[in-house]
Amino acid sequence: AAGVIQSPRHLIKEKRETATLKCYPIPRHDTVYWYQQGPGQDPQFLISFYEKMQSDKGSIPDRFSAQQFSDYHSELNMSSLELGDSALYFCASSFGSGGELFFGEGSRLTVL
Amino acid sequence: AQSVTQPDIHITVSEGASLELRCNYSYGATPYLFWYVQSPGQGLQLLLKYFSGDTLVQGIKGFEAEFKRSQSSFNLRKPSVHWSDAAEYFCAISGGGADGLTFGKGTHLIIQP
Repeated sequence: AAGVIQSPRHLIKEKRETATLKCYPIPRHDTVYWYQQGPGQDPQFLISFYEKMQSDKGSIPDRFSAQQFSDYHSELNMSSLELGDSALYFCASSFGSGGELFFGEGSRLTVL
Repeated sequence: AQSVTQPDIHITVSEGASLELRCNYSYGATPYLFWYVQSPGQGLQLLLKYFSGDTLVQGIKGFEAEFKRSQSSFNLRKPSVHWSDAAEYFCAISGGGADGLTFGKGTHLIIQP
């Protein structure tokens, strides 16, 4: 069965650079969530989208932005990267908001 | 605000022994409840979930969890652990809203030979 696809799986950037992460949800899933997991930490909710509209916002820095496109894939844009942005970024999708979330394998961002 | 508490940061269990990982939650009603497992550098794999109905839930890899409303708990159990069970375990809740899941801090499971 198709799962949530995230790309790239690994990304290395310098401080103050920009990074973009992509997420392709499970087909027919209309809701996408982004989470950030720092080293040794639990995943923290960043932002979610339902039917291409922002649905809820968590602890997402102002330097980050995201959107969901007409094909339901989502992109997380991170600018002015800081060392503390180094983390594993997970995307999850669901059919409708709430209920069971299906997670991707994550994108590991390293900021040097 | 909803929250999840996993009181044990680390647990060490001998291979073949039984396991119980604790999870308590704070929420205004009965949330949806989940247990995820994460191996180092890997994604989150769903072990089991509780939405409603039978309070004893069976999951993958021989895991089960019991929802106890009176204790606001959703403890994870396995009768006999295997070395491959060594991983980080996260309890999570959802109110069914657009903010997805709230995770506990995780419990790191170590398996002794």
